[in-house]
Amino acid sequence: DTGVSQDPRHKITKRGQNVTFRCDPISEHNRLYWYRQTLGQGPEFLTYFQNEAQLEKSRLLSDRFSAERPKGSFSTLEIQRTEQGDSAMYLCASSPTGNTQYFGPGTRLTVL
Amino acid sequence: GEDVEQSLFLSVREGDSSVINCTYTDSSSTYLYWYKQEPGAGLQLLTYIFSNMDMKQDQRLTVLLNKKDKHLSLRIADTQTGDSAIYFCAESTRGTGNQFYFGTGTSLTVIP
Repeated sequence: DTGVSQDPRHKITKRGQNVTFRCDPISEHNRLYWYRQTLGQGPEFLTYFQNEAQLEKSRLLSDRFSAERPKGSFSTLEIQRTEQGDSAMYLCASSPTGNTQYFGPGTRLTVL
Repeated sequence: GEDVEQSLFLSVREGDSSVINCTYTDSSSTYLYWYKQEPGAGLQLLTYIFSNMDMKQDQRLTVLLNKKDKHLSLRIADTQTGDSAIYFCAESTRGTGNQFYFGTGTSLTVIP
């Protein structure tokens, strides 16, 4: 399968802990996006990379959140000092041009 | 930001047609999309339409775009139980990194 993959699929953590999620985009897609989806809502944009450059960040991305894409391939999203309000599905998408985005299965985060 | 609105629920009988509606506010939208999300899964791109088109048909799916009214619809012909899912409308606008703005989703239930 050459689709977008995300790891882990589920993460349960205690409030105050740090967590890191990984996204592997479709090969040769130079654009990579992170979204957050809470229950009953559509995905909300967090940040966007073109190759290794982080070009756009949402105001939703507080200073506890950081994302990287060091070699322009896989990306990581880290949340420091997690809060209960961070509980959500974190979705990654990749795109060759930006006009179509292909989503991974998501990482479901539960903060206790 | 951009607003994308959808009705929350739709229920149809197996074999009937389903019509899922969406309205958006950004007149500079360039592409409009329909995604399907099954429980616990990521988003699957179903189809998309460029803003200079009125209609697009792809097998059982028909997308209609009324740009004047900023109204998008997805018609699913011969709806099957496997079509039960949440359907998200999304729009993107050039010049913003092609970030997508999603509606809240319409939960389609197909009654056997």
